[in-house]
Amino acid sequence: SQTIHQWPATLVQPVGSPLSLECTVEGTSNPNLYWYRQAAGRGLQLLFYSVGIGQISSEVPQNLSASRPQDRQFILSSKKLLLSDSGFYLCAWSVSVGEKLFFGSGTQLSVL
Amino acid sequence: DAKTTQPPSMDCAEGRAANLPCNHSTISGNEYVYWYRQIHSQGPQYIIHGLKNNETNEMASLIITEDRKSSTLILPHATLRDTAVYYCIVRVARSNTGKLIFGQGTTLQVKP
Repeated sequence: SQTIHQWPATLVQPVGSPLSLECTVEGTSNPNLYWYRQAAGRGLQLLFYSVGIGQISSEVPQNLSASRPQDRQFILSSKKLLLSDSGFYLCAWSVSVGEKLFFGSGTQLSVL
Repeated sequence: DAKTTQPPSMDCAEGRAANLPCNHSTISGNEYVYWYRQIHSQGPQYIIHGLKNNETNEMASLIITEDRKSSTLILPHATLRDTAVYYCIVRVARSNTGKLIFGQGTTLQVKP
């Protein structure tokens, strides 16, 4: 069966520090991968998606970047965190176009 | 991209049916309606999806109007564990990524 792993679960980082969140999927090949962010009391905002290794599409201009170094690995990064980067970050995958999304357990990031 | 409109909140008595409405008047002919829910501090969970026929699974039923401009998610016997934010989403058709855009959703409070 397929599983998605996302870590860490919680993270507290100072303003200006770097960020690296990792997401891996097991039990499937060539998944579509996604990073979402949810600010407190808000809906989910799609940040990045990837349809294959090295392919990244950005949905909104921001202080963050994403990379997909391996088929089932998706990384969210920042060189210098801002206060506004605080939020709940979710990784997700889907089998193919139109298929349902499977979400990870999320990372609660607090930038202080 | 087709947008959805949901009431911000609803209450339901435990054991009764919960009927969550969603308007998607600009939906295109090849766009599906998806429902997800998010329990506090967890990743969203897929519930059900449909194109134009009513759908039922072990979690819920989805009723789509004949003109496809609205739909209703039905939880037949709501329990306290069904308290969550429920998202009605129309799949983006212009891209081949299968990405889903989440709105604000409906906060369902199931009360004993």
